[in-house]
Amino acid sequence: EAEVAQSPRYKITEKSQAVAFWCDPISGHATLYWYRQILGQGPELLVQFQDESVVDDSQLPKDRFSAERLKGVDSTLKIQPAELGDSAMYLCASSGVGTVGGYTFGSGTRLTVV
Amino acid sequence: AQKVTQAQTEISVVEKEDVTLDCVYETRDTTYYLFWYKQPPSGELVFLIRRNSFDEQNEISGRYSWNFQKSTSSFNFTITASQVVDSAVYFCAPGTALIFGKGTTLSVSS
Repeated sequence: EAEVAQSPRYKITEKSQAVAFWCDPISGHATLYWYRQILGQGPELLVQFQDESVVDDSQLPKDRFSAERLKGVDSTLKIQPAELGDSAMYLCASSGVGTVGGYTFGSGTRLTVV
Repeated sequence: AQKVTQAQTEISVVEKEDVTLDCVYETRDTTYYLFWYKQPPSGELVFLIRRNSFDEQNEISGRYSWNFQKSTSSFNFTITASQVVDSAVYFCAPGTALIFGKGTTLSVSS
């Protein structure tokens, strides 16, 4: 079964450092999403891509977060500088035309900022 | 804007009990999707069901069933004969870009 790949699985970083997460969606899925999930809460949408274009980044803290999907395939989410409050699970999901089911989520990257 | 309310923060049941998780949503869209996801302790989000807003038929899949009522903007989820493996956080999510609430934590004890 096709999966959304994310790496790394875990990341510990010191505050003020830069950190990056990578996501490879299911092949052929044009839409890619990045979510942040703080412990005890539901996932919060950060950014949505359609191919290489940003569709919605209204919830992305643009002073420190950036996201790109240059060739419309894999994507990178970056935080610079990281803050203690950024500690969370970062989830990537993808969906495509004709996707019968729901959006497919990756296993996530758990970020701890110390 | 879309919004979802899962009023039950935590539910605890004993194995083999039936349990219903409530979901009330708000959306301005005339047609939309509704989803349920399960998040076990391992953390991954597992897709359970997608429902189109124009399809109000109830759905049953094994021990799972869903009751969708557009008139009350509710999309409730019932687990029949619950099992310990059902213990997880369950999220209801409306929309094209999924908007999640805080979810309902279900604990099933043996």
